[in-house]
Amino acid sequence: AQKITQTQPGMFVQEKEAVTLDCTYDTSDQSYGLFWYKQPSSGEMIFLIYQGSYDEQNATEGRYSLNFQKARKSANLVISASQLGDSAMYFCAMRSSNSGYALNFGKGTSLLVTP
Amino acid sequence: KAGVTQTPRYLIKTRGQQVTLSCSPISGHRSVSWYQQTPGQGLQFLFEYFSETQRNKGNFPGRFSGRQFSNSRSEMNVSTLELGDSALYLCASSLNLGLASGANVLTFGAGSRLTVL
Repeated sequence: AQKITQTQPGMFVQEKEAVTLDCTYDTSDQSYGLFWYKQPSSGEMIFLIYQGSYDEQNATEGRYSLNFQKARKSANLVISASQLGDSAMYFCAMRSSNSGYALNFGKGTSLLVTP
Repeated sequence: KAGVTQTPRYLIKTRGQQVTLSCSPISGHRSVSWYQQTPGQGLQFLFEYFSETQRNKGNFPGRFSGRQFSNSRSEMNVSTLELGDSALYLCASSLNLGLASGANVLTFGAGSRLTVL
């Protein structure tokens, strides 16, 4: 069975600083996708970044980058130059054929950016 | 282009009633998935539809059902509501089924927040 673990229930970061949100996963699949989503208090899940299991380069999307360490089964999200608008819940998720391609989510990390 | 639209955004029902939630996917997206989000259980997969057929189903009782129409719009229904069904119900659409790299990312709607009294 697949499992996504986010060990940080809550994080604080000062504006303009970088922050790393941890995510580890467990799967026996060789082919899978890893995703990060942001959920503000409004409720909508906003896609941030994707990493395929066969991608050799770490994914980057603007201020977001994914530190993918396949052997350690970790996919940490790095947010550079944090902004007040980054305050939200962040979810790590995985998708693979074993789950019928359903997204399997972690419990999430609540990030608060302070001035 | 328009995103995923879910209606209604908020609703209140009483135990034993039934509810129908609607989801209009992004134009051109053929796959629609539904997820339930609660504080206790987190985000859980309900089902996925593609070309009007249910392709995958999560571990929920038969009171939870859904369908997809020929225009890819989808509805989910919960019958005989229980207090524990209070949740945010999220709909997501994607181009196709499967992993297919980042091109097949799920785009979510704002959700329908159901309160059961």
